[in-house]
Amino acid sequence: SAVISQKPSRDICQRGTSLTIQCQVDSQVTMMFWYRQQPGQSLTLIATANQGSEATYESGFVIDKFPISRPNLTFSTLTVSNMSPEDSSIYLCSVEVKSGGVTQYFGPGTRLLVL
Amino acid sequence: EDQVTQSPEALRLQEGESSSLNCSYTVSGLRGLFWYRQDPGKGPEFLFTLYSAGEEKEKERLKATLTKKESFLHITAPKPEDSATYLCAVTTSGTYKYIFGTGTRLKVLA
Repeated sequence: SAVISQKPSRDICQRGTSLTIQCQVDSQVTMMFWYRQQPGQSLTLIATANQGSEATYESGFVIDKFPISRPNLTFSTLTVSNMSPEDSSIYLCSVEVKSGGVTQYFGPGTRLLVL
Repeated sequence: EDQVTQSPEALRLQEGESSSLNCSYTVSGLRGLFWYRQDPGKGPEFLFTLYSAGEEKEKERLKATLTKKESFLHITAPKPEDSATYLCAVTTSGTYKYIFGTGTRLKVLA
């Protein structure tokens, strides 16, 4: 299994500012993912962040708006840049673990409100 | 296009009333199908991974099954603490990304 922590757990931000969300895992993992979950909706993949390579972004998400760092096998950050109220959402970090099968574990999420 | 559809959107059960949740999928190459439970304000909690048609897995009151087109999450004699949103996701052998369904909101009444 993997235990994932995220910081901050929640934040209220002003329009036009940026917020960096941290994701820390208790073991080394290759594949990390960042998701957005808007109120009452399911999860939408923002990007896949693999150590040693550029993040791969899904359609509708761009690096200038959501820059990602992955400096090592246990840590990643997602920055939400130049925020607007439409960015209000829960942001989730997850990792894929391969141990007798494939499992994806999630962090507790960061609840973001943009005013 | 790879797609996951869950039904029903919402389900209300009396305590002890067994039922099933459905997850239909269309993918080019299935690497795994996943079930998660999500409580309000929390990240999804992993329940099961299924890999091939005919596979079944159980955990307490939950049993997940898989065919070539769909998966079922059977809930036997549910309790109020089983109330949550249940999410289904697939990952494909081509892209390794995960595609989530919209979830089923389950409410179990005492």
